[in-house]
Amino acid sequence: KAGVTQTPRYLIKTRGQQVTLSCSPISGHRSVSWYQQTPGQGLQFLFEYFSETQRNKGNFPGRFSGRQFSNSRSEMNVSTLELGDSALYLCASSVQGEAYEQYFGPGTRLTVT
Amino acid sequence: EDKVVQSPLSLVVHEGDTVTLNCSYEVTNFRSLLWYKQEKKAPTFLFMLTSSGIEKKSGRLSSILDKKELFSILNITATQTGDSAVYLCAVESRDDKIIFGKGTRLHILP
Repeated sequence: KAGVTQTPRYLIKTRGQQVTLSCSPISGHRSVSWYQQTPGQGLQFLFEYFSETQRNKGNFPGRFSGRQFSNSRSEMNVSTLELGDSALYLCASSVQGEAYEQYFGPGTRLTVT
Repeated sequence: EDKVVQSPLSLVVHEGDTVTLNCSYEVTNFRSLLWYKQEKKAPTFLFMLTSSGIEKKSGRLSSILDKKELFSILNITATQTGDSAVYLCAVESRDDKIIFGKGTRLHILP
């Protein structure tokens, strides 16, 4: 069974630009969660999508948004990038959203200059 | 504000030593506590704890939860260099929020 895949793996953007990250879950998984990981704040929950609907949201500004398609693939968008958005963005998929059954992808390393 | 605090932040020990990693939490509507191991990029799930006093064990790793004192420990016995990683503790609430600690970076010297 193929694992969770994320594209791109590395990305460099400049301040003010926007970026879209993609996550393909494990086949059969309907829940996709996004996380931001930085050295200072650790791993922080961004949002969760289940069956194309945002089911949960963390404490991030509206510049961070996402969506999920009918095939469960998910995208995350960050608009008006700031230097502080530099981070590793991880997505995780599970069948129904159970935290203990989440499988994480390898992440996208975003650097904002 | 909900929070999960892990200690120590980093730890260096020699192969064969036993280590204990700590995780304390203040989370309303607690549902479960989870431990993950993060080696390079993707965290991998280790344990889920929901009840106090019941030890979960997997090989040389074990973990236990104290819901009265609001903490959990992760023990690793007879450590090996392959145990070097960041160990993450997370707490899931009943409203499906998940809060992670900042992790403990463990380095095992050969």
